[in-house]
Amino acid sequence: GESVGLHLPTLSVQEGDNSIINCAYSNSASDYFIWYKQESGKGPQFIIDIRSNMDKRQGQRVTVLLNKTVKHLSLQIAATQPGDSAVYFCAEAVFYNNNDMRFGAGTRLTVKP
Amino acid sequence: DAMVIQNPRYQVTQFGKPVTLSCSQTLNHNVMYWYQQKSSQAPKLLFHYYDKDFNNEADTPDNFQSRRPNTSFCFLDIRSPGLGDAAMYLCATSRELPEQFFGPGTRLTVL
Repeated sequence: GESVGLHLPTLSVQEGDNSIINCAYSNSASDYFIWYKQESGKGPQFIIDIRSNMDKRQGQRVTVLLNKTVKHLSLQIAATQPGDSAVYFCAEAVFYNNNDMRFGAGTRLTVKP
Repeated sequence: DAMVIQNPRYQVTQFGKPVTLSCSQTLNHNVMYWYQQKSSQAPKLLFHYYDKDFNNEADTPDNFQSRRPNTSFCFLDIRSPGLGDAAMYLCATSRELPEQFFGPGTRLTVL
């Protein structure tokens, strides 16, 4: 079946650097793509989403890029801070499929002070 | 202020002994979800309720059942837990996608 997945399982960056977390997807029918942050011992926390008819969306210190040609999604975190250390999941949502949302494999981001 | 509450946070049960996990929400969202998350893996959707309509994932084992007696509460029943059911169970709510609000999870241990 179609799925959402990530290229890299771990990412280590220096505090203050920019981070880029990547995700590949295969379901071209998805309506939304979403990034979640999950800290140890907590539930996932919504970061940002992007509709399938957009290619870029910016939030506070985060930018999501969507390349539908190659079915690639990325999350850019500017000036990465120690508090950004977590596992990041991309997910896809297909509205016609009864409000389902499917997660891809996560990337663990470690920020070195 | 807690918005999605899960109880208990930690649950220990014995192999084959039924267990119920609970979730409550103060957001008045119409959709509630249950996910299973094993160590170092992505959350896996088990089922969700859209209002009172139950939507089961095709690969969710029959061992897992759910009840939603009202808008605020949703329960996950595991009828005969096996060792492979040890995991974090996450409850989430949404008014409309794409944003879901997750609870802190219940970590289930099966002895």
